[in-house]
Order: sequence, then C-alpha cells, then structure tokens
Amino acid sequence: GAVVSQHPSWVICKSGTSVKIECRSLDFQATTMFWYRQFPKQSLMLMATSNEGSKATYEQGVEKDKFLINHASLTLSTLTVTSAHPEDSSFYICSANLGTGASGNTIYFGEGSWLTVV
Amino acid sequence: KQEVTQIPAALSVPEGENLVLNCSFTDSAIYNLQWFRQDPGKGLTSLLLIQSSQREQTSGRLNASLDKSSGRSTLYIAASQPGDSATYLCAVSGGNQFYFGTGTSLTVIP
Repeated sequence: GAVVSQHPSWVICKSGTSVKIECRSLDFQATTMFWYRQFPKQSLMLMATSNEGSKATYEQGVEKDKFLINHASLTLSTLTVTSAHPEDSSFYICSANLGTGASGNTIYFGEGSWLTVV
Repeated sequence: KQEVTQIPAALSVPEGENLVLNCSFTDSAIYNLQWFRQDPGKGLTSLLLIQSSQREQTSGRLNASLDKSSGRSTLYIAASQPGDSATYLCAVSGGNQFYFGTGTSLTVIP
C-alpha cells in the first residue's frame, strides 16, 4: 500500500544550526504534503501545506523564514528548521494524500521526526 | 474552525477489560475520521479510517463508530492487553487537512 517515509527519525543538533527533514511518498505522487508539529502532551498542529512547484502555505503564527519548506518534486517535500533553538525541539510529522476526490481522500503519515536542539 | 476533543485525557485499566475512548468534533461537515495510535517516541500508526458515509469500522479487537450529526466518534477496544498501552489520537478531515484531538493516554495494567 501507499507509504510515506520520513527521515531522519531522530536528530539532535546544536543551537544555531539548521536541520533538514525529508518526507517522501514512496509509491504514489503527492502534489500536496502537510507538515505538523506536536509539543509534549499537546495535539498535532498543522504548520504548513507544501505544494509541489510553488510556495508553501503557512498557518498563522508559523515563521516561514524559520521553517523553510521545499516541494521540488511530486514525491519529496523537505522541512528545514533554520537557526534552531531549544524551543524548536518537538515532534515533526508529514502527511500526503492519496485520492482523487476530497470525500475519498486517504491521508498517509510519515513516521515522524523527533528534533532535539541542545 | 474545527475543534476536536478527546475524553478522557488518560485512562488506566486492568488487562482484559473492555474500554471506550471518546472523540467529539464541532463541525459535522467532515470527509472522514481516523483513529491513530502513538507509542512514546514513535510516529503515528493508523488504526481505523471511517468515511463520512460510514457508521463504523472494525479491525480485530478494535471497533470505531461515527455519528456525524452529533459530532462524535468512539473507539472500542475489546479484551485490552498491556501492548495496547499508548496514546490514541482521533483526527477529522475537512478536506485535505486533518484536525487532531489531544489524545487519550491509555495504560493497560497486567
């Protein structure tokens, strides 16, 4: 079945450095992918919608210059956390849709990435 | 904006007990509802997907129901096992986007 792969699963980086997280749809093309963030004991929150070949759409309150999203191909979206700080430590997860219509959409999630900034 | 609430936030039950997790949402105009499981330090595992036209889905010991008109879904777990211990999330789809609840942390005591 359709699979979304996310890499890396775990990453530790130093404060001030940048970290890139990849999200790949393995056996289907995804014109749209989504990035979520989860703080401890809170629900997943949508950060941005990644559109293939165009700029991402960011949710209110999400800094687009800090969380760079690139969707250069139909199977790959990347999230780069720039100049990371400890408060950016979180669980980041991507998703992609498989379906031809909104009512028939099935959304597949990546495995998620745990980011720790020290 | 869609709001999803899960009750209870935490639940502890002895092994073998049947249990019900609740999920409510404010906007009944949904496309589908999905239940996920999240183990500590792990990603999401999809358990059951209910399309808006369906009322329930079953997979093994799990049964999920959907009542769109009342904005509610339940996840029923039969004969709970220690391996069922995890956080359970429900999410409703308003098209391409999912709105997540805060989850129910389940502990099954051996």
